[in-house]
Amino acid sequence: AQSVSQHNHHVILSEAASLELGCNYSYGGTVNLFWYVQYPGQHLQLLLKYFSGDPLVKGIKGFEAEFIKSKFSFNLRKPSVQWSDTAEYFCAVNAGGTYKYIFGTGTRLKVLA
Amino acid sequence: GAVVSQHPSRVICKSGTSVKIECRSLDFQATTMFWYRQFPKQSLMLMATSNEGSKATYEQGVEKDKFLINHASLTLSTLTVTSAHPEDSSFYICSARLRSSYEQYFGPGTRLTVT
Repeated sequence: AQSVSQHNHHVILSEAASLELGCNYSYGGTVNLFWYVQYPGQHLQLLLKYFSGDPLVKGIKGFEAEFIKSKFSFNLRKPSVQWSDTAEYFCAVNAGGTYKYIFGTGTRLKVLA
Repeated sequence: GAVVSQHPSRVICKSGTSVKIECRSLDFQATTMFWYRQFPKQSLMLMATSNEGSKATYEQGVEKDKFLINHASLTLSTLTVTSAHPEDSSFYICSARLRSSYEQYFGPGTRLTVT
């Protein structure tokens, strides 16, 4: 069965620290990849997406992610986090020609001011 | 653009009653809508996929008779939790996608509490 794993469940960083959140999926075919953010009390918002082309994808709010096909990974990065980045981050994969998403377990990020 | 709304945002009901949750795409026509359930501190679990004008496709383990889904128009899907029990208490989130798009747009969610 297809699965998506996010290894970091809780991350605590100080402002200005660099961030990298891992996302790995299990599917050998073509995939579409997404990172969503859920701020406290708010709905899921798309940070960035990858369908094809340049494996380094830039999203909103200074986030980027790199698709490494050989590693089945789509890690999220930000060079310098801010207190306002405190939120939960979800990786999602759409695979097999379906429109369904499979979500990772999420990573709760807390940024200390 | 691509805004999805849900109503109500919070609902408390008594055990044994039914609750209807609405999901609307406000500024686009949604070919497909999805219903998710999110348990506290856990990820989103897909419950069902709803295509306009046809029966919903439920994920394994989701009781179709308990979670009734109707997608009567391209902008509205409803989820009815029938004969609700305390274990149905959860955060229910819908999403919608445009025709020929893989991207989903999410609603703000509905917090259901069954007492």
